[in-house]
Amino acid sequence: GQNIDQPTEMTATEGAIVQINCTYQTSGFNGLFWYQQHAGEAPTFLSYNVLDGLEEKGRFSSFLSRSKGYSYLLLKELQMKDSASYLCAVILYSTLTFGKGTMLLVSP
Amino acid sequence: GAGVSQTPSNKVTEKGKYVELRCDPISGHTALYWYRQSLGQGPEFLIYFQGTGAADDSGLPNDRFFAVRPEGSVSTLKIQRTERGDSAVYLCASSPTRLAGGSDTQYFGPGTRLTVL
Repeated sequence: GQNIDQPTEMTATEGAIVQINCTYQTSGFNGLFWYQQHAGEAPTFLSYNVLDGLEEKGRFSSFLSRSKGYSYLLLKELQMKDSASYLCAVILYSTLTFGKGTMLLVSP
Repeated sequence: GAGVSQTPSNKVTEKGKYVELRCDPISGHTALYWYRQSLGQGPEFLIYFQGTGAADDSGLPNDRFFAVRPEGSVSTLKIQRTERGDSAVYLCASSPTRLAGGSDTQYFGPGTRLTVL
């Protein structure tokens, strides 16, 4: 079976740094994606990790440890527009298995 | 360039009716995926097309659900005898090629919100 866990909600302040964790137990693994989804909109791609380590892309970074079944998304210099749901997804063969998403609320 | 488009954006129907949901993938993308997302949940895989053929339909919940992609571009998700439990946002995504072993990203459309009364 597939199990992907992430916190339901997080809150943070504008300008701060926040880390969203994701743990997974899946029958296979070909990589891990992070998507951002604003309410009523499509998920948009943020990052992809297939090897262990940190991938940095502007204000967003993503980390993967395959031996621990663990990833995190790091958001720096938070802005109000970063308030959204953040979805962790594991790719196996050709399909994505998503977690339930972490709703991030950024306050002034 | 144009992204993935889906029509209609909203669909309200009555229990027992038949509905069709359409997806136009990004031009040139050979892989197309359908997902279903309920409130407060992540997207749930339904079916994956590589070209015209359904390469994996293991996520379709039952035989009321069917999807086609006759020319390898536009896809239609068909739901027969709709039930209230079918109410959800149906998302379509496309990628340049199959993802297994590679890093092709899936690009999502805005979804169709289906409400079954």
